[in-house]
Amino acid sequence: GAGVSQSPRYKVAKRGQDVALRCDPISGHVSLFWYQQALGQGPEFLTYFQNEAQLDKSGLPSDRFFAERPEGSVSTLKIQRTQQEDSAVYLCASSLAGGGAVRADTQYFGPGTRLTVL
Amino acid sequence: AQSVAQPEDQVNVAEGNPLTVKCTYSVSGNPYLFWYVQYPNRGLQFLLKYITGDNLVKGSYGFEAEFNKSQTSFHLKKPSALVSDSALYFCAVRLINAGNNRKLIWGLGTSLAVNP
Repeated sequence: GAGVSQSPRYKVAKRGQDVALRCDPISGHVSLFWYQQALGQGPEFLTYFQNEAQLDKSGLPSDRFFAERPEGSVSTLKIQRTQQEDSAVYLCASSLAGGGAVRADTQYFGPGTRLTVL
Repeated sequence: AQSVAQPEDQVNVAEGNPLTVKCTYSVSGNPYLFWYVQYPNRGLQFLLKYITGDNLVKGSYGFEAEFNKSQTSFHLKKPSALVSDSALYFCAVRLINAGNNRKLIWGLGTSLAVNP
């Protein structure tokens, strides 16, 4: 079946511009995660949704970062007034998150959006 | 604080030899443990995970990992490396019974190079 998809795959923004990154999770997956991966680093958690509810946004680095998932499927990560330090790959993952199933906790990742802020 | 350590930035092995990629963790409770692989310009691919039960977990592409609670380790292994295994490998941990806190804590990654 189809995996997690993200668009655009690459985004170049001038400093100060707003950007919106889209994630289409695997159909039927309840949980959706956003991570930020800087060059040469492991992913860093940004935020987590269960259906449309944003249950954890502790990883968002500033109030310039905003994420939504209004209908419990597609999610958008928005970055306002981009800065050079926002340059990274933004990864989206989804998981089934059913009650108690062993497979439920596996997060499946999209290819990522590489954001470059000039 | 929870953390994951991958002590080796790079591992080099010859094709056909066994490989080990090390991971240790530090958490306050019982963990779920994961290994993912990342190929250039591609997303993270799930390899295997430890939830409970047998300490030896078998996963995709012939990889396996052994959970060692006393040493707080979860090393990734493969009996015979392939050149196509060359990639970046990430270890990650999530707390069991963390309620709605489902985020993964990641290591910095280990670059595996398998030489023909």
